Amino acid sequence: QVQLVESGGGVVQPGRSLRLSCAASGFTFSDYGMHWVRQAPGKGLEWVAAIWFDGGTKYYADSVKGRFTISRDNSNNMLYLEMNSLRADDTAVFYCARGGYSSSWYVAYWGQGTLVTVSS
Amino acid sequence: QSALTQPPSVSGSPGQSVTISCTGTSSDVDMYNRVSWYQQPPGTAPKVIIYEVRNRPSGVPDRFSGSRSGSTASLTISGLQAEDEADYYCSSYTSSNTLVFGGGTKLTVL
Repeated sequence: QVQLVESGGGVVQPGRSLRLSCAASGFTFSDYGMHWVRQAPGKGLEWVAAIWFDGGTKYYADSVKGRFTISRDNSNNMLYLEMNSLRADDTAVFYCARGGYSSSWYVAYWGQGTLVTVSS
Repeated sequence: QSALTQPPSVSGSPGQSVTISCTGTSSDVDMYNRVSWYQQPPGTAPKVIIYEVRNRPSGVPDRFSGSRSGSTASLTISGLQAEDEADYYCSSYTSSNTLVFGGGTKLTVL
């Protein structure tokens, strides 16, 4: 079955960097687009970024453009999110998510999430 | 990109039907067949229940149905059950090559 396991969350000071990882299994990773979606404590869902199946196409929310970078390693079934210049309003649970197909704009499967807390 | 507009809460009794609306613009909901709905019970990750306006993934009961009229999409849950109590979110692809979510609707089963 599809499994998405996030890691790398934690407490980080404002202005610092953090890298999230997502280990994928149970499907052919290189066939699917992937997303990061976040949820601030007690708030709704916010899409962060997407990367298509071959890593050649990437999209970002305006709120993270220029600060966050999404990438993938199809050889090792891994998805990443490099986060720089972190701010307090980046505090959220970050979900790794698989699309419905190679360049899908809906999320078919979600990980359990990893909490990022930006605080001094 | 502004969030799609959903009612903060809806409620219904077991066996009844409820409809949750999701209002966007001509740049998202009205333009593309890429509206999805997600169910998120408390303390858990979301789960897709409708994709591309009206398609149900395997395993999702046919009590859940999706539709769209212009820039407003709707999720209807018929034959309400206690287990349907959760937060529900809509999303849509946009002309800016982004994905936008609604603010979420809390469904209470009375």
